[in-house]
Amino acid sequence: GDSVTQMEGPVTLSEEAFLTINCTYTATGYPSLFWYVQYPGEGLQLLLKATKADDKGSNKGFEATYRKETTSFHLEKGSVQVSDSAVYFCALSARGNSGNTPLVFGKGTRLSVIA
Amino acid sequence: DADVTQTPRNRITKTGKRIMLECSQTKGHDRMYWYRQDPGLGLRLIYYSFDVKDINKGEISDGYSVSRQAQAKFSLSLESAIPNQTALYFCATSGPTADRWGVDGYTFGSGTRLTVV
Repeated sequence: GDSVTQMEGPVTLSEEAFLTINCTYTATGYPSLFWYVQYPGEGLQLLLKATKADDKGSNKGFEATYRKETTSFHLEKGSVQVSDSAVYFCALSARGNSGNTPLVFGKGTRLSVIA
Repeated sequence: DADVTQTPRNRITKTGKRIMLECSQTKGHDRMYWYRQDPGLGLRLIYYSFDVKDINKGEISDGYSVSRQAQAKFSLSLESAIPNQTALYFCATSGPTADRWGVDGYTFGSGTRLTVV
């Protein structure tokens, strides 16, 4: 079945450091790809998405490019802030007979940014 | 009011008890989902519903049941709670898109933290 593998955390960075969180996927169809963020005590929020190969999703300084040849969707940010401390989830939704299938999530990567 | 409201926010229950978690939404979305979050395991799908008459099992449906009472309400029941059902439970919704194959983001509730002792 469809699956998402993302780098294990926790990841600890100093403020203004460069962030990369790796994500690779396995899907039988042509999936849409997502990054969600979960701040402490809250539900998940959509951070960015990409629906076809070579698309780049971006939001709040975060970026990720849909790479079909490497089945990857790595999350990057050039300069992290303390407020970016959260858990980040990579996810996919494949095309099914009734529309897109429910989201399949990776295990999450906890990011801590220290001042 | 939140777009997706889950009740209760926290619950402690005893092994063997029946418990219901409720979810209501004001998004007007047809699709609703229940996920379970465990440390180190991410979110796993329990059940989902694409409309009021449609209920589907997810990856980990054993020990759970659901009811879609209306477009806006989707409840999750644990018929006989056991300790390994201790987890954070999330309800989510998603709506239609202009392109049948397009996907908008899900809207998540704030979660119900359930502890089974």
